[in-house]
Amino acid sequence: AQSVAQPEDQVNVAEGNPLTVKCTYSVSGNPYLFWYVQYPNRGLQFLLKYITGDNLVKGSYGFEAEFNKSQTSFHLKKPSALVSDSALYFCAVRDGDSWGKLQFGAGTQVVVTP
Amino acid sequence: SAVISQKPSRDICQRGTSLTIQCQVDSQVTMMFWYRQQPGQSLTLIATANQGSEATYESGFVIDKFPISRPNLTFSTLTVSNMSPEDSSIYLCSVQTRGVYNEQFFGPGTRLTVL
Repeated sequence: AQSVAQPEDQVNVAEGNPLTVKCTYSVSGNPYLFWYVQYPNRGLQFLLKYITGDNLVKGSYGFEAEFNKSQTSFHLKKPSALVSDSALYFCAVRDGDSWGKLQFGAGTQVVVTP
Repeated sequence: SAVISQKPSRDICQRGTSLTIQCQVDSQVTMMFWYRQQPGQSLTLIATANQGSEATYESGFVIDKFPISRPNLTFSTLTVSNMSPEDSSIYLCSVQTRGVYNEQFFGPGTRLTVL
């Protein structure tokens, strides 16, 4: 079985400050990890993924995420947040041994204030 | 990436009726999925739409309630049958192109309200 935990319902950050959104996971096989963002009344947009290789993954809109196998974490980061980053962020995991099925976390609402 | 469209974008329906949601992709894709996002909640996979055969449903979802068709590699429909207010959700179509390493792309969603 696979599962994802996003421990924070909401993260508040001032514009220009670093942003971190936490995610931990559990899978039986090799983890394939993803971050998505959802803006109001929009579908999900893909940000970045970790499949294998370098633990630091860079994605869209200046976001990056660090894969930590020992801590089973895949935290999303941005060095300097923008007001336009305010949105709902989802972490998702897929067991590398299984096709297709993604398990999503509960989501973290990010609020960036001017 | 794949460009995905869904119809309708939103609808308000009466209880007891059915609604069919369409998902169209601009290229042939290996896998198509249907998700539900209840108000304030995360995404839950309803089923995998299989081309030319019956969909594969997740626990808690049944074909009689959510019949799915996938006649070809670019199109699928999800029907929400005999609706109740508890079916009020956003329904999202998702696709994954060839390659197990690839991410899924999501359509814009269909916002359904059942009165």
